[in-house]
Amino acid sequence: AQSVAQPEDQVNVAEGNPLTVKCTYSVSGNPYLFWYVQYPNRGLQFLLKYITGDNLVKGSYGFEAEFNKSQTSFHLKKPSALVSDSALYFCAVRERGEGDYKLSFGAGTTVTVRA
Amino acid sequence: DAGITQSPRHKVTETGTPVTLRCHQTENHRYMYWYRQDPGHGLRLIHYSYGVKDTDKGEVSDGYSVSRSKTEDFLLTLESATSSQTSVYFCAISESRGSVTEAFFGQGTRLTVV
Repeated sequence: AQSVAQPEDQVNVAEGNPLTVKCTYSVSGNPYLFWYVQYPNRGLQFLLKYITGDNLVKGSYGFEAEFNKSQTSFHLKKPSALVSDSALYFCAVRERGEGDYKLSFGAGTTVTVRA
Repeated sequence: DAGITQSPRHKVTETGTPVTLRCHQTENHRYMYWYRQDPGHGLRLIHYSYGVKDTDKGEVSDGYSVSRSKTEDFLLTLESATSSQTSVYFCAISESRGSVTEAFFGQGTRLTVV
């Protein structure tokens, strides 16, 4: 069974400081990994994904994430946070392979960026 | 934005009544999903579909059924609504043509069972 853990319910940072949102995963085989963001009363928006290749992936709005296979982690990062980055962030995993397209999500991390 | 429409967007219903939520897509994607979002639980998969009339259970499928008679429509039915099914429900679609693609989400349906 696949699962995702986001160990922090909340992350608070000052504007201009680096932002990190943590994610660890568990799958039987190799993973596909995703980050999504949700603004209040909205659906989820895709930020970035890891499929294969370079462990550092870049996505929308200046976000990036690093895949670490040995630590089974896929932490989301932004070098300089903005107040507008305040939102709910979800990490998701899907196991690589044919026939199973379940997409599992973590519980989410609320990010607050103070001015 | 991906062409996904959920209806209704808001609904209040009484305990014990059946409720059907609809997800309609215009992207011709093969895979469709229903999730529920609750504080502290993230998004939990209820059911998903990998083709017309092909569906499978997710992690919280009890009390829910689904149907997909056309590629574009995926219906979620609460057979006899309970207060524990008060939640925000999201539909998602995805496709895979030789490489993974991300899932796209609808705007959600807020369901209240009283």
